[in-house]
Amino acid sequence: GAGVSQSPRYKVTKRGQDVALRCDPISGHVSLYWYRQALGQGPEFLTYFNYEAQQDKSGLPNDRFSAERPEGSISTLTIQRTEQRDSAMYRCASSLVGVGNEQFFGPGTRLTVL
Amino acid sequence: AQSVTQLDSQVPVFEEAPVELRCNYSSSVSVYLFWYVQYPNQGLQLLLKYLSGSTLVKGINGFEAEFNKSQTSFHLRKPSVHISDTAEYFCAVSAPGRRALTFGSGTRLQVQP
Repeated sequence: GAGVSQSPRYKVTKRGQDVALRCDPISGHVSLYWYRQALGQGPEFLTYFNYEAQQDKSGLPNDRFSAERPEGSISTLTIQRTEQRDSAMYRCASSLVGVGNEQFFGPGTRLTVL
Repeated sequence: AQSVTQLDSQVPVFEEAPVELRCNYSSSVSVYLFWYVQYPNQGLQLLLKYLSGSTLVKGINGFEAEFNKSQTSFHLRKPSVHISDTAEYFCAVSAPGRRALTFGSGTRLQVQP
């Protein structure tokens, strides 16, 4: 079956603009996660959902970052008033509910803020 | 809070040689441990995981890892590597009851002919 998909794959924007990154999880996966990966680093947790409920948003760096999953499937990560330091790879993952379940990662969205 | 240290940023090795990628973690509670592999321009793929039970865990592609609680380590090993194993490898931990993964900075395995 299809894996986790993310769009767009690449996004270039100017400082101060808002961006919306989309994640489409594997069908049937209840849990959805967002991570940010800087160049040369491992992914850093941002937030996660079970169904439509945001369970943990402790990793969101500031209030310019928000995420939603209104129907418990597709999720959108929004960054308002982008800054150059927001440039990174943004990765989405999904999993079945339950501890220790494998998180399946998407290919990521490469965000560049000029 | 948990943290993960991968001391080796790059590991060059010749084809068919054994390899060990080191991972140490820090946590005040019990953790689950994972190794992920990232091939160029692809997402991360799970190699293996330790949740409980036997401390020697076998994964895909001939990799295995051993959980050592006293040394807080979870080193990844393969007895004979192939060119196709060239990739970035990430060690990660999570605390029971918390779904977020904390990743190390990664080790780039470069297999040379």
